[in-house]
Amino acid sequence: GAGVSQSPSNKVTEKGKDVELRCDPISGHTALYWYRQSLGQGLEFLIYFQGNSAPDKSGLPSDRFSAERTGGSVSTLTIQRTQQEDSAVYLCASSSPFYNEQFFGPGTRLTVL
Amino acid sequence: AQSVAQPEDQVNVAEGNPLTVKCTYSVSGNPYLFWYVQYPNRGLQFLLKYITGDNLVKGSYGFEAEFNKSQTSFHLKKPSALVSDSALYFCAVRDMNTGGFKTIFGAGTRLFVKA
Repeated sequence: GAGVSQSPSNKVTEKGKDVELRCDPISGHTALYWYRQSLGQGLEFLIYFQGNSAPDKSGLPSDRFSAERTGGSVSTLTIQRTQQEDSAVYLCASSSPFYNEQFFGPGTRLTVL
Repeated sequence: AQSVAQPEDQVNVAEGNPLTVKCTYSVSGNPYLFWYVQYPNRGLQFLLKYITGDNLVKGSYGFEAEFNKSQTSFHLKKPSALVSDSALYFCAVRDMNTGGFKTIFGAGTRLFVKA
């Protein structure tokens, strides 16, 4: 299919380890977003990329979090020195400037032990 | 800064009755408004949006929402609820004048439709 894909679907890690989460947006979508959703809760905005503009990082909770988007397509969210409070589902979404609504991936469930 | 409020954590309605899920927003410029739904064990799906034009917008699965600028509200409605509508609903806003593509989501409202 041509939807947003994320990998891995599940990640279990030990406290203090670094993790990388990957997002493949829909082809041609210029905007890419990362959100965090704690169990049954709302979506917390983390970061978005739009075309070649500088990303809006205003939602990143600490300097342990970073993200990049290579070639205007695939994005990687990196969490360094993971903490237990980082456990959540990390959602990626992409959108076209013409249609505005976001298309979400299935998410990566991160568990920090 | 933009913000969204969904004042109800949960809404209960009987099947066949009308439903309303409330949303209010705050932006400094003109809003783009969205509703998304998250069914159990499934990803978030777009339902409908308000960009400009008619204040009443229609979306997927028989849902509609009314944009009310004076009350800064964008309540989600459906004339006759189905059990299958039970899900988590999110309202979201983009500030078109100042926020760029940044989209803020509400905390979500869980809808329970009883048979």
